[in-house]
Amino acid sequence: GAGVSQSPSNKVTEKGKDVELRCDPISGHTALYWYRQSLGQGLEFLIYFQGNSAPDKSGLPSDRFSAERTGGSVSTLTIQRTQQEDSAVYLCASRTGTREQYFGPGTRLTVT
Amino acid sequence: QQQVKQSPQSLIVQKGGISIINCAYENTAFDYFPWYQQFPGKGPALLIAIRPDVSEKKEGRFTISFNKSAKQFSLHIMDSQPGDSATYFCAASPRGSEKLVFGKGMKLTVNP
Repeated sequence: GAGVSQSPSNKVTEKGKDVELRCDPISGHTALYWYRQSLGQGLEFLIYFQGNSAPDKSGLPSDRFSAERTGGSVSTLTIQRTQQEDSAVYLCASRTGTREQYFGPGTRLTVT
Repeated sequence: QQQVKQSPQSLIVQKGGISIINCAYENTAFDYFPWYQQFPGKGPALLIAIRPDVSEKKEGRFTISFNKSAKQFSLHIMDSQPGDSATYFCAASPRGSEKLVFGKGMKLTVNP
């Protein structure tokens, strides 16, 4: 079946602009995660959604970052007032009942 | 604080050889240890995972060895092939948590 999809695949934005990154999880997967991959920091957990429970936002680096998940499926990660240090690959993952997380291809964000 | 330490950072092996990647952790609450493979421009792909009640798990050419007392685990790739050339990440997740904590990754090159 189809895997996790993310859009756009690449995004270039100017410092100070807001960006929205989209994730479509695998159909039927109840849990959804966002991670950030950067050269200096490796892979870092950002936020986790599970069903109707309150999301675990403990990995969000600042209040410029937010995410929502509508209808238990699609998720959007929003970064406000982007900074150059936000440049990274943003990865989405989803899982079903086991602990196995399946990742999408990522969105490469470049802030100029 | 790096919770999962991965070594080496890079490895070059000849086709047919054995590739070994090591990871160590401190947090005894970790109870799930997956390995991911990532090709350039792609998201991480789950290879194999182990729990601490098992000392070894094998899937095809990939084997995880787990030493609970030493708090170490390793990935062995038998009969390494050029197509295995990728970056490999170990990860760990604490009991009761959804977060994956990743090692820094190891770039494997398999020469033909």
